[in-house]
Amino acid sequence: TQLLEQSPQFLSIQEGENLTVYCNSSSVFSSLQWYRQEPGEGPVLLVTVVTGGEVKKLKRLTFQFGDARKDSSLHITAAQPGDTGLYLCAGAQNSSYKLIFGSGTRLLVRP
Amino acid sequence: DAGITQSPRYKITETGRQVTLMCHQTWSHSYMFWYRQDLGHGLRLIYYSAAADITDKGEVPDGYVVSRSKTENFPLTLESATRSQTSVYFCASRGMNYEQYFGPGTRLTVT
Repeated sequence: TQLLEQSPQFLSIQEGENLTVYCNSSSVFSSLQWYRQEPGEGPVLLVTVVTGGEVKKLKRLTFQFGDARKDSSLHITAAQPGDTGLYLCAGAQNSSYKLIFGSGTRLLVRP
Repeated sequence: DAGITQSPRYKITETGRQVTLMCHQTWSHSYMFWYRQDLGHGLRLIYYSAAADITDKGEVPDGYVVSRSKTENFPLTLESATRSQTSVYFCASRGMNYEQYFGPGTRLTVT
């Protein structure tokens, strides 16, 4: 069974703090995506990383794909209450139709 | 409106009733998916479709039926609803880099 393990599961931090969420697997992925889901809504794609070692930035969010394409991280600088939500990583493999989803990291940023 | 829509957004039904959840996308994406999301289980794939008239089971297909007569529509039917099917259901379509675009979800309660 292919698994994507996310850590931590829950994170409650103060506004202005930095944080990192990790997504790890023993499988190699052709691409990896990060999604954010707010209460009552569907997951929304934040970024797709494709190349091993790739780093992408989206304002205060920095995404990195591991060199071996088995892991990824999401770093948020100076978190804001608007960053609150469920963060999901998902891996794709060219040989498969489906995405492998991580179990998610629930982030609460307190004002 | 462009994108992916689901209807209804909320539904309450009784045990044993048949209920159909609708999904419509405007991108002409070939692949479409149905997931359920439950606390403690994350996103679980129910069914997917690679194209019109091509559908296949995901991880948790029992009790569900799908059809896809047109590329843009992918309805999910619960043939005889059970309380264990109380959940939030998400439809998604797949883009070129295997990323998925989710609808807003249908919150289904079976009493």
